[in-house]
Amino acid sequence: ETGVTQTPRHLVMGMTNKKSLKCEQHLGHNAMYWYKQSAKKPLELMFVYNFKEQTENNSVPSRFSPECPNSSHLFLHLHTLQPEDSALYLCASSQQRTGSYEQYFGPGTRLTVT
Amino acid sequence: AQSVAQPEDQVNVAEGNPLTVKCTYSVSGNPYLFWYVQYPNRGLQFLLKYITGDNLVKGSYGFEAEFNKSQTSFHLKKPSALVSDSALYFCAVSIPEGTYKYIFGTGTRLKVLA
Repeated sequence: ETGVTQTPRHLVMGMTNKKSLKCEQHLGHNAMYWYKQSAKKPLELMFVYNFKEQTENNSVPSRFSPECPNSSHLFLHLHTLQPEDSALYLCASSQQRTGSYEQYFGPGTRLTVT
Repeated sequence: AQSVAQPEDQVNVAEGNPLTVKCTYSVSGNPYLFWYVQYPNRGLQFLLKYITGDNLVKGSYGFEAEFNKSQTSFHLKKPSALVSDSALYFCAVSIPEGTYKYIFGTGTRLKVLA
């Protein structure tokens, strides 16, 4: 619908597992973002990529590892997560990272860490 | 610290009545301002933005927002609410100077009663 797809939509993982979240945008945008959405908290920006280069890392723990192989794809690799990492993870893209362009969001991956 | 405030966790309004969802911000410089809406099990969807020019901005689904620089506010409005407008609404700002940064509010749940 928005041109940004995320897989999987739901993920349950144990604290010792390794998994990856995938995001793909079909909008020809140059910037891609990962956000964490937890209940009753502001949306937390995690990572920003502009033309495949990481331009922002908001003090995210190293158990979250992003990868952007090209401008259309973004991954979030997860390992040894904690229960407090359970949240909705949203991917977004925008035409540029200048800030005046709106972001287009995917539907999110609901992550539960057991 | 730069921040966005949405003072109401929830707003209830009767169908057909006007609605207002409030947003105030505290940022340096001249920010760009955005409103997004989130329906259940979906990502955020762009509604409208203020970059420059006319203080009254019109967006999708009949929504509009008024930028007030002196009060540092960007309230979302609609003249006549629909039950289908019930959703979670987020205000966001981005700082155009230097390294861009998007800051989101905590969200306001709008409930339109039939």
